[in-house]
Amino acid sequence: DAMVIQNPRYQVTQFGKPVTLSCSQTLNHNVMYWYQQKSSQAPKLLFHYYDKDFNNEADTPDNFQSRRPNTSFCFLDIRSPGLGDAAMYLCATSNQYGGNQPQHFGDGTRLSIL
Amino acid sequence: DQQVKQNSPSLSVQEGRISILNCDYTNSMFDYFLWYKKYPAEGPTFLISISSIKDKNEDGRFTVFLNKSAKHLSLHIVPSQPGDSAVYFCAASAYTGGFKTIFGAGTRLFVKA
Repeated sequence: DAMVIQNPRYQVTQFGKPVTLSCSQTLNHNVMYWYQQKSSQAPKLLFHYYDKDFNNEADTPDNFQSRRPNTSFCFLDIRSPGLGDAAMYLCATSNQYGGNQPQHFGDGTRLSIL
Repeated sequence: DQQVKQNSPSLSVQEGRISILNCDYTNSMFDYFLWYKKYPAEGPTFLISISSIKDKNEDGRFTVFLNKSAKHLSLHIVPSQPGDSAVYFCAASAYTGGFKTIFGAGTRLFVKA
């Protein structure tokens, strides 16, 4: 089955220690998204790529960066995690931009900060 | 500034009855509205969508209604089944200086057998 896979499912890191979350897709979709979701809140878009064209949301902290080395993979790097960065991180894909292009989500990575 | 609001954190419904989940939005530029369903420990999955030029879209037991003048949409599930118990997210999309999708905070639906 074509899918979106996020690794790891759970990630624990220390305050200030860089961490990388990964996402891969077998859907061959052009667009990849990273969302942050805190408990009982709406998923909040951090970044999105159309192919290698990178789009950063205006309020995404500078502490967060992303890489998309090829169509299949996308990474979220948190350079110096703070306690407020503890959240579920969701990766999603869509074939094109557009509301008629539903997003396909991975199962998320839950990040804890010690 | 919450552009998409789901004001009911949870909803409990008896099996076989109708479930109605509501969503309000503020931005008249949204051109598509989508509903996603999320089970515990899984990512959201797409359920149904509606274009802003329509007022109703139906897919089996699921119907979405859009009232543009009220900036309100609702998802109806008839009949509700225990397997429908999940968190439902409303999302709205628009091209405003780039493509955006804004999600609501979700409504947790409990369907009691």
